Amino acid sequence: EPEVTQTPSHQVTQMGQEVILRCVPISNHLYFYWYRQILGQKVEFLVSFYNNEISEKSEIFDDQFSVERPDGSNFTLKIRSTKLEDSAMYFCASSEDKGGMDTQYFGPGTRLTVL
Amino acid sequence: AQSVTQLGSHVSVSEGALVLLRCNYSSSVPPYLFWYVQYPNQGLQLLLKYTSAATLVKGINGFEAEFKKSETSFHLTKPSAHMSDAAEYFCAVSDYDAGTASKLTFGTGTRLQVTL
Repeated sequence: EPEVTQTPSHQVTQMGQEVILRCVPISNHLYFYWYRQILGQKVEFLVSFYNNEISEKSEIFDDQFSVERPDGSNFTLKIRSTKLEDSAMYFCASSEDKGGMDTQYFGPGTRLTVL
Repeated sequence: AQSVTQLGSHVSVSEGALVLLRCNYSSSVPPYLFWYVQYPNQGLQLLLKYTSAATLVKGINGFEAEFKKSETSFHLTKPSAHMSDAAEYFCAVSDYDAGTASKLTFGTGTRLQVTL
């Protein structure tokens, strides 16, 4: 069964450093998402992406964040200058269509620890 | 804005007992509702979803949920708990906008513990 994969599973970085989190969505999916979950809190939407541009972003997704689909398979989330409060589990998801009833399939997540 | 509320951050049941995890939604339009499960050190896996086709929705692993508009609820149930059901369960609502890709708004999650 096709699945969303994410690398690395755990990333430790120093405050102020840039990090890139990588995702490989399901191959025939066209819509991509990033969510994050701070320890003990709810899963929060960051950004959605379609046709090589951002479809929607939350207020969390400020200028420090960017997303890119550099090739036909990868989908990346970059944090330019990490802060302590960026420590969280980051989930990538993809869906075949954009409709509200369409299932979003999630990857296993990348745990980001900012020291 | 749409939202979901999950009552009870922790629920403990005995193996073989009924599982009931509560979710109430708030939405100005007919909602699309989802239940996801997260096993330790894994991603979110879809259990079931409500898309207005039927109010009683059956999912994987014996779970089901009933959409009740009058109560704005979408509670998750399973008749008989199994040890393998121990996990975190998230209710979510989809924010459908024809112009953008839909985002999910999640509840705070309910951790299910199953005891012998």
